[in-house]
Amino acid sequence: GAGVSQSPSNKVTEKGKDVELRCDPISGHTALYWYRQSLGQGLEFLIYFQGNSAPDKSGLPSDRFSAERTGGSVSTLTIQRTQQEDSAVYLCASSPQPRGQSDTQYFGPGTRLTVL
Amino acid sequence: GENVEQHPSTLSVQEGDSAVIKCTYSDSASNYFPWYKQELGKGPQLIIDIRSNVGEKKDQRIAVTLNKTAKHFSLHITETQPEDSAVYFCAASISGTASKLTFGTGTRLQVTL
Repeated sequence: GAGVSQSPSNKVTEKGKDVELRCDPISGHTALYWYRQSLGQGLEFLIYFQGNSAPDKSGLPSDRFSAERTGGSVSTLTIQRTQQEDSAVYLCASSPQPRGQSDTQYFGPGTRLTVL
Repeated sequence: GENVEQHPSTLSVQEGDSAVIKCTYSDSASNYFPWYKQELGKGPQLIIDIRSNVGEKKDQRIAVTLNKTAKHFSLHITETQPEDSAVYFCAASISGTASKLTFGTGTRLQVTL
């Protein structure tokens, strides 16, 4: 079946502009995660959605970052007033079960964001 | 919070040899440990995982071992092949909570002919 998809695959923007990154999780997956991967680094947790529960935003680096998940499916990560340090690959993952029942996370291909 | 350290950062082996990547974690409450393989330009793919109720798990040429007392776990790849060349990440999480993964910094494995 279809995996996690993300769009766009690449995004180049100017400093100060807002950007929106989209994630389509695997159908039926209730949990959705956003991570950030800076060049040559590991993955850094940003935010987590589980069903209708309040999202875990503990990883968001600043209030310029926000995310929403509509209808329990598609998610959008928004970065306002982008800075050069926001340049990274933004990865989305989804998980099939409610929390505690399965921890397997399936990742999308990522969106490479470059802020000039 | 959880901290995961991963070594080595780069590893070069000859085809057919074994490769071992080691990780340590700090939070004794962590009980789920997946390993991901990331090829250039792609997202990480789960290759194997282990939970804290077992000490070892094997899947063909890949195995993972876990030492809860020492808080470390390792990935073992036997009979390496060129297609094993990639960046490997270990991770840890606490099952039953948000299950957000804390990742190591990655190991770039190069399998040479």
